[in-house]
Amino acid sequence: SQQGEEDPQALSIQEGENATMNCSYKTSINNLQWYRQNSGRGLVHLILIRSNEREKHSGRLRVTLDTSKKSSSLLITASRAADTASYFCATDPGNTGKLIFGQGTTLQVKP
Amino acid sequence: GAVVSQHPSRVICKSGTSVKIECRSLDFQATTMFWYRQFPKQSLMLMATSNEGSKATYEQGVEKDKFLINHASLTLSTLTVTSAHPEDSSFYICSARDWERGGSSYNEQFFGPGTRLTVL
Repeated sequence: SQQGEEDPQALSIQEGENATMNCSYKTSINNLQWYRQNSGRGLVHLILIRSNEREKHSGRLRVTLDTSKKSSSLLITASRAADTASYFCATDPGNTGKLIFGQGTTLQVKP
Repeated sequence: GAVVSQHPSRVICKSGTSVKIECRSLDFQATTMFWYRQFPKQSLMLMATSNEGSKATYEQGVEKDKFLINHASLTLSTLTVTSAHPEDSSFYICSARDWERGGSSYNEQFFGPGTRLTVL
């Protein structure tokens, strides 16, 4: 079963604005990953944050992790129309490769 | 590097027929591959773990006799949907783990582009 909840389910913003997506999970984790999926396509790995990290940056992406609250957030700064996609968080509690995905946030960036 | 392909990208079949989907790791060896299913506007659900040279392990609720998995080589896993029905229509995505990359705490996983199955 899915262990993660994400909010919002859908987000629509203007180009240039920031987009924040949140993810919660239920079990203990070694790391948490964020993926992007363009409509009808496969997943692209964006960023991984380890359980002993609180914040991580990659270009316009900023991820935070709060293990006490079992939650993570993904911030996309200065959004672009090309950022339009669905974003999923995923955990691998047993480090077996079996990813448990959140419900996802569909982001629309209007030009 | 680290590319995973799937074939076909899209397939339409009649109810009752079987459909085979291939997942290939193009530039690395993958002893383990994973098959996910994604219904429209939903998230990915893990169906099974494909292990090279041994039987696949299935998640709870996934019928192993309906979703046959064969991982005959280090670069190829196949998923066969047997006697497909309209409720099997979905987006099937595979992923492969590159065990040679990264440290012991994490091995990056790469996803195929997915296969859209429509059963009429």
